[in-house]
Amino acid sequence: KAGVTQTPRYLIKTRGQQVTLSCSPISGHRSVSWYQQTPGQGLQFLFEYFSETQRNKGNFPGRFSGRQFSNSRSEMNVSTLELGDSALYLCASSRRSGAGANVLTFGAGSRLTVL
Amino acid sequence: AQSVTQLGSHVSVSEGALVLLRCNYSSSVPPYLFWYVQYPNQGLQLLLKYTSAATLVKGINGFEAEFKKSETSFHLTKPSAHMSDAAEYFCAVSEGNQGGKLIFGQGTELSVKP
Repeated sequence: KAGVTQTPRYLIKTRGQQVTLSCSPISGHRSVSWYQQTPGQGLQFLFEYFSETQRNKGNFPGRFSGRQFSNSRSEMNVSTLELGDSALYLCASSRRSGAGANVLTFGAGSRLTVL
Repeated sequence: AQSVTQLGSHVSVSEGALVLLRCNYSSSVPPYLFWYVQYPNQGLQLLLKYTSAATLVKGINGFEAEFKKSETSFHLTKPSAHMSDAAEYFCAVSEGNQGGKLIFGQGTELSVKP
């Protein structure tokens, strides 16, 4: 079956712009989580959505937002881009939320470069 | 608060040698622990997970990890390294009902010399 699909894979933006990234989870998975990966900070949790509701949120400014649609697809948006937002953004899906042993399946990521 | 520490940001072994990647965690409740691997320009792939069913966990590609509560450790091992094992490895912890939220270590880059 198809894995987690993230689009676009690569994009370049300039400071002050905004960006929207998309994630299509594995069929049947209702939970989508987003992570930011940078060389300096490593992998950091952004937020998790389940059944169109944000279930959990990491420690990121309000410029980072997300949403989930009824078909479980998710988008994340970053407004007023800063140089430090350059990162690999990873999406992960799982069948359910609320269980610590839940296995996350990750997509290949969207690499954002902010100039 | 949960945290994960991976000792050694870079580990280099010879092909056929033992691989040992170290992970220590901090958690106020019984944790769920994971090892993920990341190849260049790819996402993370699950190697194995600990969910309290057994302290020795076997994963894919010949990897295994042992949960030691007394040492708060979850080290990853493989008896014989292969060139294809060269990648970055991440240890992660989650608690209770925080299903989608993993706390990751900083990662260990494994190099395998021929």
